[in-house]
Amino acid sequence: KAGVTQTPRYLIKTRGQQVTLSCSPISGHRSVSWYQQTPGQGLQFLFEYFSETQRNKGNFPGRFSGRQFSNSRSEMNVSTLELGDSALYLCASSLAGTGVWEQFFGPGTRLTVL
Amino acid sequence: AQSVAQPEDQVNVAEGNPLTVKCTYSVSGNPYLFWYVQYPNRGLQFLLKYITGDNLVKGSYGFEAEFNKSQTSFHLKKPSALVSDSALYFCAVRDNDFQKLVFGTGTRLLVSP
Repeated sequence: KAGVTQTPRYLIKTRGQQVTLSCSPISGHRSVSWYQQTPGQGLQFLFEYFSETQRNKGNFPGRFSGRQFSNSRSEMNVSTLELGDSALYLCASSLAGTGVWEQFFGPGTRLTVL
Repeated sequence: AQSVAQPEDQVNVAEGNPLTVKCTYSVSGNPYLFWYVQYPNRGLQFLLKYITGDNLVKGSYGFEAEFNKSQTSFHLKKPSALVSDSALYFCAVRDNDFQKLVFGTGTRLLVSP
């Protein structure tokens, strides 16, 4: 089974621009979560989507948004980029539903904001 | 709120020796605990999880973890370390109110030849 894929792997943007990151979950997984990883803040939860609906949202400004498509693929968008948005953005998928399911992570997208 | 703590920023161990990476947790209700490993320029790889049952959980690559309810700990262990085990290790707990993981700050494991 193919793992979680994320595109692009690397991205360089300038302040004020916007960016869209893409995530394709493992086949059959309906939940997709996004995390931000930075040296200072560690791993922080952004949001989680299940069946095209945002179920949970972390403590991030409204510049961070996402969506999920009917095939469970997900995108996240960051508008009006700031220097502090430079980070590794990780996508994770899980079977979700009832029970406790481990999340499987993609390789991440490294975003650099100049 | 659920949280985990990893008290050591770095653990150094010689190849062939046993290793332990520490994690303590604070949760309301039943703890659902996980260990992940991250290699440079890679995402997180799932190692093992504890939901219920045996306190000793076996996972990938020869790793295991011991759940201790009285000490609220979930330490990661391996009987014989390999140089290739050198990586960043994260302990995590599932937030029971939300479908998300709450991660510790990570522990860098360095295995010397």
